[in-house]
Amino acid sequence: AQSVTQLGSHVSVSEGALVLLRCNYSSSVPPYLFWYVQYPNQGLQLLLKYTSAATLVKGINGFEAEFKKSETSFHLTKPSAHMSDAAEYFCAVSEGFQKLVFGTGTRLLVSP
Amino acid sequence: SAVISQKPSRDICQRGTSLTIQCQVDSQVTMMFWYRQQPGQSLTLIATANQGSEATYESGFVIDKFPISRPNLTFSTLTVSNMSPEDSSIYLCSVDVSSYEQYFGPGTRLTVT
Repeated sequence: AQSVTQLGSHVSVSEGALVLLRCNYSSSVPPYLFWYVQYPNQGLQLLLKYTSAATLVKGINGFEAEFKKSETSFHLTKPSAHMSDAAEYFCAVSEGFQKLVFGTGTRLLVSP
Repeated sequence: SAVISQKPSRDICQRGTSLTIQCQVDSQVTMMFWYRQQPGQSLTLIATANQGSEATYESGFVIDKFPISRPNLTFSTLTVSNMSPEDSSIYLCSVDVSSYEQYFGPGTRLTVT
């Protein structure tokens, strides 16, 4: 069965610092992988997705993620954090049929 | 992309009652999904709703508790029946637009007292 592990329920960074949110997946078939962001009291917004094309995926708001099959990872990065990046981030995996399995989420805190 | 709206945005309900949540999409989509997000937790898929067929429920969710309707390609409802405080959650609908991209509605925040 597919699953997603997000290391760290909370990550704190200073404004301008590198953002790294970790995601490891388990899948019996080549997966589709996603990162979503949830701002307070809002729904989920798709940041980026991996669908077996380029392993380095660029998304919105300056975020990117790299698919590493050997490490079964899909970590999310951003070179320089902004205050507006403070939100909950969810990694998700799909093995097909559009069914998404979500990780437990990582809350990103950005301090001035 | 798709624009998805949900009604109500939030509600406070008494235990034992039922609430129907509506999900409207601005374009025709084949598959719609309903998720539950319990306080401080991740999202869990409740069921998949295809137009013209019965909804497919995930393990731990049953039709008697969460009946779903899908009358057309732009609309779906989820009913939370015989509510208890444990049903207090955010309920989100989503749609699959293309290439395995799911877009989510803003959610319905339900509190059961």
